[in-house]
Order: sequence, then C-alpha cells, then structure tokens
Amino acid sequence: EDQVTQSPEALRLQEGESSSLNCSYTVSGLRGLFWYRQDPGKGPEFLFTLYSAGEEKEKERLKATLTKKESFLHITAPKPEDSATYLCAVQRPGSARQLTFGSGTQLTVLP
Amino acid sequence: DTGVSQDPRHKITKRGQNVTFRCDPISEHNRLYWYRQTLGQGPEFLTYFQNEAQLEKSRLLSDRFSAERPKGSFSTLEIQRTEQGDSAMYLCASRSEGTEAFFGQGTRLTVV
Repeated sequence: EDQVTQSPEALRLQEGESSSLNCSYTVSGLRGLFWYRQDPGKGPEFLFTLYSAGEEKEKERLKATLTKKESFLHITAPKPEDSATYLCAVQRPGSARQLTFGSGTQLTVLP
Repeated sequence: DTGVSQDPRHKITKRGQNVTFRCDPISEHNRLYWYRQTLGQGPEFLTYFQNEAQLEKSRLLSDRFSAERPKGSFSTLEIQRTEQGDSAMYLCASRSEGTEAFFGQGTRLTVV
C-alpha cells in the first residue's frame, strides 16, 4: 500500500530563515510526486510535479527536489505570506491516477 | 473559467439527514475526483470519474455515499443518513490527460 510521510508536522521560522520540508514515500511504480500548498479553509493549490530522481523545480522562494525515496521542499528566505500547510502526494499507476497525500507540514513564518 | 467551483462552501446538518454537494470542474477537464479531508490530515481519495463514467471508488466510500456525473460535466456527491464521523471537508478536483489536478475550495460539512 502507498505511504507518504511528511516531517516535521509543524515548523516555525523567522522571516528570512531558510529551511527544508521532507516527504518520504513508498509506492509501487511512482507516476509523479506532487507538492501542494493549502491555506486554512481552502483547497490545495498546485505547486510542483516531479517525475524522476534527480529532478528539481523552482518557483520564487521554493525549490522541490526528488530522490528515489524522498522529496524535499526547500524554502529560501521565507516571508510571512509563505505561511501555510504544505502537502506532498504521490500518484499511483492505473487509470484513475488518484493522489495519496501525506498529512502535511504546517509552516509558520514569523515577521 | 476561473477554476473548480464547489457549492455550498459550508453545510451544517443534523445526524440522520441527507446532504448533497455539487462540483463544477474546469470546463475542458474530463477527469473528476472527490476527496475527503479531516482536520490535520491530508485529503483521502473517495471516487473518480472519467467523463460520465465512475471508474473507481475507495473503500472509504460506504453504501451511504453516492456520486454522479451526468453528461460528464458537473458532479454531485450525496451522503445519506449522515453520521458525526462524516464531518469533514469534501474536496473536488479535476484534470485533463497529462495535467495536474486542480482542487476546488471544498465544502465543509458539520454533522451535529
């Protein structure tokens, strides 16, 4: 059965203090690893898709990387508006291609 | 088209009542998903439609749950005889072939 584990559960950073979020996964035949951002009371917002080990993607202060067992979301010089829950998900093979999510990392960036 | 739309945003119902939620996907997306999210957890897959056909259902989808997507456009999720354990955020997502899934803002259900 697919498993996605995110750590830490919660992270508090000072504005400008860079850090990384971890997503470790076990899935048979990874079709893609996804990062989403979720603000309180709202639906997840797509950030990145990674397909193969060694792949990296960047968007503003965020950079996602992928290995064969885990993915990292690096946050460089975060701002208070980066505060949110960051969700990692894996896509399994098959026609539905549904996502299996981790429990998320709740990030708080203090001014 | 501004994205995936869900209605209502919030629903409070008494235990034992039936509720129905609606999802309008992005117009060109033929694939539609329902997920359920409880506090502090990630979304969990419930069911999948490709066009009007419901092709996959999770074990989480008990007999009290039914979903439809007539004509392959909007979708409805009905919960019959609601229980307190049904309280959650119900999320709809859509995508087309080869794209990522876009989520709606969800319907927050509270069963009292």
